[in-house]
Amino acid sequence: QVQLQESGPGLVKPSETLSLTCTVSGGSISSYYWSWIRQPAGKGLEWIGRIYTSGSTNYNPSLKSRVTMSVDTSKNQFSLKLSSVTAADTAVYYCARDGVSGNWFDPWGQGTLVTVSS
Amino acid sequence: EIVLTQSPGTLSLSPGERATLSCRASQSVSSSYLAWYQQKPGQAPRLLIYGASSRATGIPDRFSGSGSGTDFTLTISRLEPEDFAVYYCQQYGSSPETFGQGTKVEIK
Repeated sequence: QVQLQESGPGLVKPSETLSLTCTVSGGSISSYYWSWIRQPAGKGLEWIGRIYTSGSTNYNPSLKSRVTMSVDTSKNQFSLKLSSVTAADTAVYYCARDGVSGNWFDPWGQGTLVTVSS
Repeated sequence: EIVLTQSPGTLSLSPGERATLSCRASQSVSSSYLAWYQQKPGQAPRLLIYGASSRATGIPDRFSGSGSGTDFTLTISRLEPEDFAVYYCQQYGSSPETFGQGTKVEIK
């Protein structure tokens, strides 16, 4: 059973870069699309973007100018970088696997809270 | 991008009752590419339904999805205590993928 686990700093200063890694266990990262999704406290869900194991990416236009995703198949990990963060980027960040035949999300990691504050 | 509007915002029901949740899209969702998720406090969302009506692995058959075009419905035939949670719809027919704002199903 595939499991995902997010890791990274829980506190990031304004204007700096948020960096998170998702480690996939219980299965191979290869041949799937992998996504990042975030959720501000008490609010809804926002898809950030996805990466394929070849390295090809697709980002949400609302964040595209600040997002970079990468994948390391040797470590079964993929990563998110979000630059020039502000308080509006404070949220729980989830990593998830895209569906086999469609871009739904299953399974999800447990999520990690990232707070942007000085 | 496609905007999804869920209604009602909150549904107050008793265990054993039927829950009907609505998700309306601002434009047609191609090929019924719509999913439903359940989220409990402090937990990640859990996939319930994809393709508008296909149950995900391990999801009880009291959960069912229907609809096409711009109008979709999640029905919980008989609410169990563990079903009280927030439910989100998500469209994946058009990028960027978008979510509804959620419907909270609470105990009456």
